[in-house]
Amino acid sequence: DTGVSQDPRHKITKRGQNVTFRCDPISEHNRLYWYRQTLGQGPEFLTYFQNEAQLEKSRLLSDRFSAERPKGSFSTLEIQRTEQGDSAMYLCASSRSSGNSYEQYFGPGTRLTVT
Amino acid sequence: AQSVTQPDIHITVSEGASLELRCNYSYGATPYLFWYVQSPGQGLQLLLKYFSGDTLVQGIKGFEAEFKRSQSSFNLRKPSVHWSDAAEYFCAVGLSGGYNKLIFGAGTRLAVHP
Repeated sequence: DTGVSQDPRHKITKRGQNVTFRCDPISEHNRLYWYRQTLGQGPEFLTYFQNEAQLEKSRLLSDRFSAERPKGSFSTLEIQRTEQGDSAMYLCASSRSSGNSYEQYFGPGTRLTVT
Repeated sequence: AQSVTQPDIHITVSEGASLELRCNYSYGATPYLFWYVQSPGQGLQLLLKYFSGDTLVQGIKGFEAEFKRSQSSFNLRKPSVHWSDAAEYFCAVGLSGGYNKLIFGAGTRLAVHP
């Protein structure tokens, strides 16, 4: 169990640019979640995958955001035409769908700064 | 709507003192409750969880929490705080219904004085 990994750990971009983040879940976990955390707040749910199917998207996920999980393994989160309000920590988590399925394991996050 | 309230934004305790962090939730069904800890620049680490059964749950690092349905609370406690416990603590409720997205409180930042 190598844990959830995220890449990059930090990203600085200029307003209007596109960015893509990657999350590699724990290998036997078929559920994958994305959350966003702004300064001084708790994480907020963005979207959820079970295997390759995206089953829920938060209203926070505007049409500039898109997430994929091809083949039910790693996931990517893309933000198009970034805005300063997108600056946040983007957290990925994964869990099983049986047993202790409610335990979500979080990665270290990707901190995005939009200048 | 589901929500989690952590009334204390910042708490400062002396090393060796006891600690209680408050958490109140609003959720119509049986809640799945969690406490996570986040050190600066790090992701979230699960301290403990409550699904059902015994309302006093033990976690890692000497933490425990008590679920009180009548008060809609899930307070985190530790009898003797160590300097390494300084971090941000988040209470979360997991929504039942199959996949359990988490709703987090705003967090409590704990400072520990030597």
